[in-house]
Amino acid sequence: DAKTTQPTSMDCAEGRAANLPCNHSTISGNEYVYWYRQIHSQGPQYIIHGLKNNETNEMASLIITEDRKSSTLILPHATLRDTAVYYCIVRPYNTNAGKSTFGDGTTLTVKP
Amino acid sequence: DVKVTQSSRYLVKRTGEKVFLECVQDMDHENMFWYRQDPGLGLRLIYFSYDVKMKEKGDIPEGYSVSREKKERFSLILESASTNQTSMYLCASTTPGQGTGETQYFGPGTRLLVL
Repeated sequence: DAKTTQPTSMDCAEGRAANLPCNHSTISGNEYVYWYRQIHSQGPQYIIHGLKNNETNEMASLIITEDRKSSTLILPHATLRDTAVYYCIVRPYNTNAGKSTFGDGTTLTVKP
Repeated sequence: DVKVTQSSRYLVKRTGEKVFLECVQDMDHENMFWYRQDPGLGLRLIYFSYDVKMKEKGDIPEGYSVSREKKERFSLILESASTNQTSMYLCASTTPGQGTGETQYFGPGTRLLVL
């Protein structure tokens, strides 16, 4: 799996948009970008994924650059409950193994 | 909603005990996984299974075994628990890829302490 690089930590004011960057410069053509988050002492929670087009769901938006070497997860109106560690992962489509290599992620702290 | 459940949230065992961790998913997923998560080491894959009675070693299988007798259930077994197996254990299951990528769903985790 391609390696990803994320900032160690970020702060965001409650109600503002949180923009979490991820670099994946060695991504291959068949690899998707996934975002998960992990709230303290819970299992990781799937947020969103994409291949090359921007994606949006009820939780977040995913912006992938045209060259696919980086992406940004956007939480449009961050709340205190969004405080968590956010992981960016790249993984081939339908590996059948589904191995997930979670690095250290970005610790997002949403402040009142 | 996909639901992945694990038999215990917290578990305390003694060195040498046999430990069973159970995971159940309710979405008919073929693929299931066991990971452990330790500070500074991220998630590490222990074993995975892509079908009933099938299993594959992950990156750190030593000291562990698994059992998948039914599609919805994947068990992790510590034959003789040791203190270095104190960790957070996470189970996951995966939707089959259907042209839109493969999404992995995780259980709440079991925090195991081996004394």
